[in-house]
Amino acid sequence: GAVVSQHPSWVICKSGTSVKIECRSLDFQATTMFWYRQFPKQSLMLMATSNEGSKATYEQGVEKDKFLINHASLTLSTLTVTSAHPEDSSFYICSARGPDRWTEAFFGQGTRLTVV
Amino acid sequence: AQRVTQPEKLLSVFKGAPVELKCNYSYSGSPELFWYVQYSRQRLQLLLRHISRESIKGFTADLNKGETSFHLKKPFAQEEDSAMYYCALRGSGTASKLTFGTGTRLQVTL
Repeated sequence: GAVVSQHPSWVICKSGTSVKIECRSLDFQATTMFWYRQFPKQSLMLMATSNEGSKATYEQGVEKDKFLINHASLTLSTLTVTSAHPEDSSFYICSARGPDRWTEAFFGQGTRLTVV
Repeated sequence: AQRVTQPEKLLSVFKGAPVELKCNYSYSGSPELFWYVQYSRQRLQLLLRHISRESIKGFTADLNKGETSFHLKKPFAQEEDSAMYYCALRGSGTASKLTFGTGTRLQVTL
């Protein structure tokens, strides 16, 4: 299958700082990317859907000013957690899909964010 | 609204025993159902989707619209099947987002 790479795999940051997580599709053009958040022993919760060149669509309850998503190219989307707080500590996962919405979405390996 | 329910957090079976991971869904239209698997320290990956009607690694799943279920089955469990399994639903709308269940950890023991 296609490869989606997330960077970094883990990051520790201080409260009040911002953290950027990258999601890259390595061998296909990802017209749509999804960002999920996963709490320990819980399911993946969709945060937002981004289409290349467009503004991201956020799920209800997700603060768009807190979680900035940029999808400026067909191979890269970024999630920036602004003014991070300890409660933002979580596992963030991206997935990417090609132009046909019925095709499979491939997942990144996830990023463990710890805010201290 | 779309919802996926996996009632069991943990399913422990002996090697060679049959496996059934339960999944029920709620969706008003025609959904597309998936099973994803996450092996230890690996990323989430697609196991199978209902429209493919295929068996992957010995696993099958049949969509039962009457019971709104999409249970995952395998006749004989193997040790390497131990993993986290997530059932997911994709609606027919333009958003086409995936909604995941809470997952079931399958533990296959000798």
